[in-house]
Amino acid sequence: AQKITQTQPGMFVQEKEAVTLDCTYDTSDQSYGLFWYKQPSSGEMIFLIYQGSYDEQNATEGRYSLNFQKARKSANLVISASQLGDSAMYFCAMREGGGGYTGKLIFGQGTTLQVKP
Amino acid sequence: EPEVTQTPSHQVTQMGQEVILRCVPISNHLYFYWYRQILGQKVEFLVSFYNNEISEKSEIFDDQFSVERPDGSNFTLKIRSTKLEDSAMYFCASSSGTSPDTQYFGPGTRLTVL
Repeated sequence: AQKITQTQPGMFVQEKEAVTLDCTYDTSDQSYGLFWYKQPSSGEMIFLIYQGSYDEQNATEGRYSLNFQKARKSANLVISASQLGDSAMYFCAMREGGGGYTGKLIFGQGTTLQVKP
Repeated sequence: EPEVTQTPSHQVTQMGQEVILRCVPISNHLYFYWYRQILGQKVEFLVSFYNNEISEKSEIFDDQFSVERPDGSNFTLKIRSTKLEDSAMYFCASSSGTSPDTQYFGPGTRLTVL
């Protein structure tokens, strides 16, 4: 069974508008971490935002916020005021377990976001 | 800002040859990882390394693969006898081991096996 599911292979958004990229996860652990990474066409993986399973507030980092709904096991990424430079592949990832002992990340299939001028 | 570096950026090799991919993790990080991404697919975990030994490895990481930290700065992935299906982007990542233990990725090495 997929542990991380990103159901949107591709998304379009108009510049300056907000967009939500979906991510659902499956784990029986009580303690886990959820991450979003951006992969531009140049190929590198850029860390965007983190949400811990015990965090009560939704994480925010500048124009990025994470809509964390624990009961639904979803961790959607919201990008506000989209910019042309946001065009990229976005990956949701999960780390199970409480600490950094193994830190293995499990990735979703990714969503390609294209920002239209 | 400290970053993970990887060399080479692109490696082309013949099937059956050995390759070594090199990484310099962020200097105060303690945990090191290799992932791979076959073109157009998701990122897959290969191996994690801590305190000079493998912490965990995936089923992809078979006897053809090995990792080493030969000195205080480098972290290497060796593929002993490359196969066509080893063609992929290989990412090195490192983390500090302190919460939230974010993994920071290098720019990747694109391996092409002919």
